[in-house]
Amino acid sequence: DAGVIQSPRHEVTEMGQEVTLRCKPISGHNSLFWYRQTMMRGLELLIYFNNNVPIDDSGMPEDRFSAKMPNASFSTLKIQPSEPRDSAVYFCASTLTGLVYEQYFGPGTRLTVT
Amino acid sequence: SQQGEEDPQALSIQEGENATMNCSYKTSINNLQWYRQNSGRGLVHLILIRSNEREKHSGRLRVTLDTSKKSSSLLITASRAADTASYFCATDGETSGSRLTFGEGTQLTVNP
Repeated sequence: DAGVIQSPRHEVTEMGQEVTLRCKPISGHNSLFWYRQTMMRGLELLIYFNNNVPIDDSGMPEDRFSAKMPNASFSTLKIQPSEPRDSAVYFCASTLTGLVYEQYFGPGTRLTVT
Repeated sequence: SQQGEEDPQALSIQEGENATMNCSYKTSINNLQWYRQNSGRGLVHLILIRSNEREKHSGRLRVTLDTSKKSSSLLITASRAADTASYFCATDGETSGSRLTFGEGTQLTVNP
């Protein structure tokens, strides 16, 4: 398996622009997580899905952030409009919910908003 | 505050020495995991210990869990320069479902 795939790997955009981050989880996994990592705040869970359904979006910072999972093999995290404080590395992770909860992380998308 | 808190925040040792990192948490857990993150990369799962286990080994890794003290330690024996990375503990509990709560991490530097 190729592991969790994220695109793009790097994104540089201007304040006010829309940003869409993409994730393909490991085939067969039924839970997907979006995290944000910064030096100041560490690793934060933004939202997670079970069987394509959003379960907990309490970590989404504000209405400018939205996430979708239209099917088991694809998810997007959208920021509209983007702000400089959104600059961070965004990780997607997936797992097979059950007795064991180890998560498999993608390589991340480094977002810079100028 | 975060469920998991690692200490020390940073650790610098010489190759061949052992490295010990600690993690404390606040609420009851089902499992505790340790992850590693190389600079600029995603986290990689290292080892999982269940709440009814006290010690677990995997290669040069040894994890202990003390549920009475709500703490865990990760020992890396005979460290190598390639072990340089950040190490995070993560917990899940009865009410957290699939959700993991990550600590702030320990930055380990192994000098050749």
